[in-house]
Amino acid sequence: EADIYQTPRYLVIGTGKKITLECSQTMGHDKMYWYQQDPGMELHLIHYSYGVNSTEKGDLSSESTVSRIRTEHFPLTLESARPSHTSQYLCASSAPSGGSAGGELFFGEGSRLTVL
Amino acid sequence: GNSVTQMEGPVTLSEEAFLTINCTYTATGYPSLFWYVQYPGEGLQLLLKATKADDKGSNKGFEATYRKETTSFHLEKGSVQVSDSAVYFCAPRSGSEKLVFGKGTKLTVNP
Repeated sequence: EADIYQTPRYLVIGTGKKITLECSQTMGHDKMYWYQQDPGMELHLIHYSYGVNSTEKGDLSSESTVSRIRTEHFPLTLESARPSHTSQYLCASSAPSGGSAGGELFFGEGSRLTVL
Repeated sequence: GNSVTQMEGPVTLSEEAFLTINCTYTATGYPSLFWYVQYPGEGLQLLLKATKADDKGSNKGFEATYRKETTSFHLEKGSVQVSDSAVYFCAPRSGSEKLVFGKGTKLTVNP
């Protein structure tokens, strides 16, 4: 059973507000990811981390930032939200490729952000 | 890097119909292949996987066979149910590279 949690599940805020989406996992995975999912369902990688103090930008440019101070925690922050940030954000972590899970990704249930 | 081409949807079927969702990939090295499913309002979860050529992954009545010669990993189910309505994603992964997802195929099964 995967143990990766995202909060909040749903968030509606006004333009200009600062928001942080939380993501925590209890599996001890080093690798964690943030995906943005558009209404057409396509997933876009926006940030990833291969361990503590390691963060990288993904394939899709994003105004959000991330931090990785602890292995289990990978929050995503928007300093000033805009309507264009309205989307579903999915957090994931992965087991080592050589392990029994074979590099599988485990996903949280997602955070749906609406910026008015 | 890896890439994947997945059959575009939406796909609408009647209950008990046969399902095929095509997936072809390009990848460096010898990738593992995954199918993920996303039920309404939820995150993605692993449906099945295969790690070497000719392996067949299976789960919940779904199957997919790793075809190295055609670089394909098509998803099939012999008799779909309403509860199978979801979005399906194909994804190859090589070594420590990032997982690359297809665009997703939305399946709706009507009673």
